[in-house]
Amino acid sequence: DAMVIQNPRYQVTQFGKPVTLSCSQTLNHNVMYWYQQKSSQAPKLLFHYYDKDFNNEADTPDNFQSRRPNTSFCFLDIRSPGLGDAAMYLCATSRDLGEGERNEQFFGPGTRLTVL
Amino acid sequence: KNQVEQSPQSLIILEGKNCTLQCNYTVSPFSNLRWYKQDTGRGPVSLTIMTFSENTKSNGRYTATLDADTKQSSLHITASQLSDSASYICVVSGTAGNKLTFGGGTRVLVKP
Repeated sequence: DAMVIQNPRYQVTQFGKPVTLSCSQTLNHNVMYWYQQKSSQAPKLLFHYYDKDFNNEADTPDNFQSRRPNTSFCFLDIRSPGLGDAAMYLCATSRDLGEGERNEQFFGPGTRLTVL
Repeated sequence: KNQVEQSPQSLIILEGKNCTLQCNYTVSPFSNLRWYKQDTGRGPVSLTIMTFSENTKSNGRYTATLDADTKQSSLHITASQLSDSASYICVVSGTAGNKLTFGGGTRVLVKP
């Protein structure tokens, strides 16, 4: 089945220790997104890639970076995790940008990050 | 400012009963509205997606309605099952790019 895969599902890191979360997709979608979701809150968009074009949200801290080495993979790097960065991180993909059902976002299962 | 408001924040229903969740939005211009189901500790899964011209769409026991004039949507769950316990999130897409505006979700607990 075509899908969005996130690894690991659970990640524990230490305060200040860099961590990388992984997302891969078999949908061959052009767009990949990273969201941060804290407990009982709506997901918050951090950034997205349209193909190789990186689009950062204005309020995303510099501590969060992303890489997309190819169509299938996208990584979220947290350079110096703080206690406030503990959250669920969701990866999503869409075929394209713009209107309509063809651009529906498909979400992965998420990676729950714990910062000690 | 684009906003999506959901009500109630949470509800408890008995297995087999029906319930209706509400969503009001101010996103403009409007492209489409989606309802997602998010199980605890999992990513959101799409239930329905509706464009401006659609006013109802069903997916099994889930039926969504849309009134684009009043900017309201509802999600009706029929004959609830224990597996329906989850958060239900209303998400609205504007026509600028594919940026989504998320509602805060309604947490549903189905009890036996």
